[in-house]
Amino acid sequence: EVQLLESGGGLVQPGGSLRLSCAASGFTFKDYAMGWVRQAPGKGLEWVSTISVSADSTYYADSVKGRFTLSRDNSKKTLSLQMNSLRPEDTALYYCAKDMESGYTKSDFNYWGRGTLVIVSS
Amino acid sequence: QSALTQPPSVSGSPGQSVTISCTGTSSDVGRYDRVSWYQQPPGTAPKLILYDVSDRPSGVPDRFSGSKSGNTASLTISGLQAEDEADYYCSSYSSSVTWVFGGGTRLTVL
Repeated sequence: EVQLLESGGGLVQPGGSLRLSCAASGFTFKDYAMGWVRQAPGKGLEWVSTISVSADSTYYADSVKGRFTLSRDNSKKTLSLQMNSLRPEDTALYYCAKDMESGYTKSDFNYWGRGTLVIVSS
Repeated sequence: QSALTQPPSVSGSPGQSVTISCTGTSSDVGRYDRVSWYQQPPGTAPKLILYDVSDRPSGVPDRFSGSKSGNTASLTISGLQAEDEADYYCSSYSSSVTWVFGGGTRLTVL
């Protein structure tokens, strides 16, 4: 059974940093692109970032480019999102998600975690 | 990276069909057959129900179908069931090598 377990969320002041992690199990992690999607309270989905299987390519939404860094450790089956210079508008539930097709970076996410909540407030 | 445009809400009675539109631009929906759709019941994580405009992942009923014309993609749910009540989101790849979601549509089954 595919499982994605996010951690690292919490309350942080504007300008601060957080590091989100996603522990994956139940599939061959190194064969799938992975990504993060966020959802502000009561709002819609927003794509944040995607990383290719070998981590040679990473993609970011304009809203987070230059502030967030996505990485993966295929040996530990872990995805990490380093978030710096956080803003109140970054407040959201952050979902870790797995791409559907092995080897391809398409951001067609067929498995999602339950999310970790990030609150940016003073 | 402007969000794709979806109607805020649609509704239908059990057994009926409903269609949800998703309008983008010539840089995303109109350029690539890379539109996907997600279903999100309240309080749960999204579920992929269509990808590449009209392909269904395994396990998704064929009541869910997709199409595209120009800059607008559409999701049609036929034989509406109570369990279909949820928020629906479209997503598209864009020429800026990013992905963009629609604002979401709340489906109410009357």
